[in-house]
This record gives sequence, structure tokens and C-alpha cells, in this order.
Amino acid sequence: TQLLEQSPQFLSIQEGENLTVYCNSSSVFSSLQWYRQEPGEGPVLLVTVVTGGEVKKLKRLTFQFGDARKDSSLHITAAQPGDTGLYLCGRGGVNDYKLSFGAGTTVTVRA
Amino acid sequence: ETGVTQTPRHLVMGMTNKKSLKCEQHLGHNAMYWYKQSAKKPLELMFVYNFKEQTENNSVPSRFSPECPNSSHLFLHLHTLQPEDSALYLCASSQAWTTSGTEAFFGQGTRLTVV
Repeated sequence: TQLLEQSPQFLSIQEGENLTVYCNSSSVFSSLQWYRQEPGEGPVLLVTVVTGGEVKKLKRLTFQFGDARKDSSLHITAAQPGDTGLYLCGRGGVNDYKLSFGAGTTVTVRA
Repeated sequence: ETGVTQTPRHLVMGMTNKKSLKCEQHLGHNAMYWYKQSAKKPLELMFVYNFKEQTENNSVPSRFSPECPNSSHLFLHLHTLQPEDSALYLCASSQAWTTSGTEAFFGQGTRLTVV
């Protein structure tokens, strides 16, 4: 089993601050997905990163894939209360449609 | 709206009841999944269906019985559950795989409480 470790487990910040959450594994990913889950809802796909060193931006969210494709980070600039949620990283290989997920980081942005 | 619809959204059932969860996807995907999400635990993969064939049963107890009559519909039949089975049950779908890996689209989940 290729485990995905996410850190920190919980993060509480004030509106306007920046934050970074991490996803790590001892194994190489062929690709990695980031999802956000709001309370009482299912996870929603934010982005997929595929190439080592890749950086993708989605408004105030910046996703980075490590050069060795073993780790990824999500950085949020000037966080807003609407960014509150559980952030999950997930992986499914090119020849493996079994999706596995990390335990997630619960982010709370206080107004 | 992710294109994956789960019903019911909430379900309370006794340990002797039989109930079913339903999932429907309108995305033309050919892989469907059941996940269990309990408090303070990672998403647990339960079952995978690929082109209506079950390709993964992740050591799930037999009191959970999946059914996939076609690529658009997935059911989870429940009987004689235990209180520890209370959780959010999530359905997801995807293209089996692509060159960029597998991207999942989730339903809103069914919040199950076993009393």
C-alpha cells in the first residue's frame, strides 16, 4: 500500500493570512490530485499535477509537484472564510484506477 | 453539481433493517467507487467497478453488498449493520484511467446512522 501522508492535520488561521499544506509519500506518483471537501458534501476535484516540478495556479491557490514526484504542496494566499474545508490529496496511477487518499488537512479560516 | 447523484442524503437504520444506497452518474464514466468516510479517518476505498465488473473488494464485510447493473448506476445494499458502520458513504466515478491518472468525481454522500 502506498500511503499518502498529509500535514498538518489541522490548521486554523485568520482571514488574509497565507497557508501551506503538504502531501508526501515514499513512493513516486504518476500523478496526484488535490480535492476540497466542505462539511456534509463530497470532495471536489481542484487540480491534477502530473510532471515533476510542475506548478499550477487556481486563483489564490498554488499547487506544486515535487521534482521527484513524491510530494506535493498546496499554498493559499490571502485566505478567505470560503477556503475553509478538508483538503485531500489523492493518487491513482496511469494503470491503476484505484484511488487512494491521504487523511486530509482540515483548514479553518476565521473572519 | 458534479454529475454524480447519491440518494438518500441521510439515512437512519436499525441493526436489523435492510436498506440500499443509490448512486447515479451522468458523466459517461466507466469506473465507479464506494468509499467510507468516518470521523478522523482517511477515506476508505470499499469497492471498485470497472465496466460493470467488480475489480476491487477491499476486505469489506459481507453485510455490505454492492451492485452495478450498468456503468451509470451503483448500489450499496446494507443489512444487519453495526453502530460502528455509521459514517458518510461516498460514491465516485471516473474514466478508468487516462494518461494523467485518475480523477474522481464524487457525489454528496449519504450520511448513515445505525442505531
